[in-house]
Amino acid sequence: GESVGLHLPTLSVQEGDNSIINCAYSNSASDYFIWYKQESGKGPQFIIDIRSNMDKRQGQRVTVLLNKTVKHLSLQIAATQPGDSAVYFCAEIRPGSWGKLQFGAGTQVVVTP
Amino acid sequence: GAVVSQHPSRVICKSGTSVKIECRSLDFQATTMFWYRQFPKQSLMLMATSNEGSKATYEQGVEKDKFLINHASLTLSTLTVTSAHPEDSSFYICSALAEPSTDTQYFGPGTRLTVL
Repeated sequence: GESVGLHLPTLSVQEGDNSIINCAYSNSASDYFIWYKQESGKGPQFIIDIRSNMDKRQGQRVTVLLNKTVKHLSLQIAATQPGDSAVYFCAEIRPGSWGKLQFGAGTQVVVTP
Repeated sequence: GAVVSQHPSRVICKSGTSVKIECRSLDFQATTMFWYRQFPKQSLMLMATSNEGSKATYEQGVEKDKFLINHASLTLSTLTVTSAHPEDSSFYICSALAEPSTDTQYFGPGTRLTVL
């Protein structure tokens, strides 16, 4: 549901450092998870996904880790760049939901020089 | 890759008027499209699921007579905000499911609606 009145948590990262963005999901039955990046005034952009039969997946400079025991998802960005500054959302799809995405609250990443 | 467009990107209207937002899948067919709204500094909230050739399915708390959705073809869904009020001002985003996948959603760039 909508997080009315809440402010986005902010992660401040120095350029070149690694970023770790965390997300707790709610439904233990969810079997597909996606990370999206949203720049100001734009739509969400797909970064990486992972299915529940995996615990780790790597892409270009990004790694997603899934811990089903504690219902936790993380996104690691290696060598963070200024262009990585954005809001990052995790999203889950529950079985039988016909592709409906349930978005997390989001994390604002600010990359400092 | 699959591209979804929205039109207009920004719209300003007077209170009481209706506004139509278009969502198009440019290089693929989409039986299912979704409409979201997003307030500043907040997450995306699903409003409704738009199915080609049938009625949209609205999420709890979303007024179907207020937010009219039409999915007349496999590449176009429209959202009409009827009798708009200032509280309807928001960022509206659509997404489309790329067939035959039922998991991969491609998002449009969003439409900023401001109701005066």
